Amino acid sequence: GQQLNQSPQSMFIQEGEDVSMNCTSSSIFNTWLWYKQDPGEGPVLLIALYKAGELTSNGRLTAQFGITRKDSFLNISASIPSDVGIYFCAEKAGGTSYGKLTFGQGTILTVHP
Amino acid sequence: AAGVIQSPRHLIKEKRETATLKCYPIPRHDTVYWYQQGPGQDPQFLISFYEKMQSDKGSIPDRFSAQQFSDYHSELNMSSLELGDSALYFCASSSRSVNVLEQYFGPGTRLTVT
Repeated sequence: GQQLNQSPQSMFIQEGEDVSMNCTSSSIFNTWLWYKQDPGEGPVLLIALYKAGELTSNGRLTAQFGITRKDSFLNISASIPSDVGIYFCAEKAGGTSYGKLTFGQGTILTVHP
Repeated sequence: AAGVIQSPRHLIKEKRETATLKCYPIPRHDTVYWYQQGPGQDPQFLISFYEKMQSDKGSIPDRFSAQQFSDYHSELNMSSLELGDSALYFCASSSRSVNVLEQYFGPGTRLTVT
């Protein structure tokens, strides 16, 4: 089946630093989604990408859909303590699956004040 | 804005018991998805419904069943519970007419099987 590889698995940074994480796949996709999950809560949709090369921002978050359509990255600028959580990339499974999502393994972000 | 509602938020059951989880999608969303997330794992797709019909099926055990009702809410029924069923269960919803891929997740139901 499809696999998404997220890196890094975890990050420990100081407040105010910028963060970058990425997601890669061996398959070509038409959509990349980035979610953030706080402990014990549901994933929250941060950014959705639909076109190769697309760069989209949402406040301090910026995400890009790779030209090869096999990767995506998420940047967080000027991190703050509430950025702590698990960040997942996700994509729509292929074939006739209308909306079934496959998730990466997640990147655990810790921000030290 | 209204979000996905799930109930109960926490559920404790014993082995071999039955559990029912409920999901109320965002108003005007027609598609509902169920995901299971084990400790330290990413969410795994179980099943989805569009307009009350099953639209996709993932790694859902035969002991589990689900349906979507006329008011679009959905229920996940789990029978003969096993210890390994302990997990967070999320419901997500989307609108096929707007953007089926942008799924909005509920807060989850934490199921503990003892």
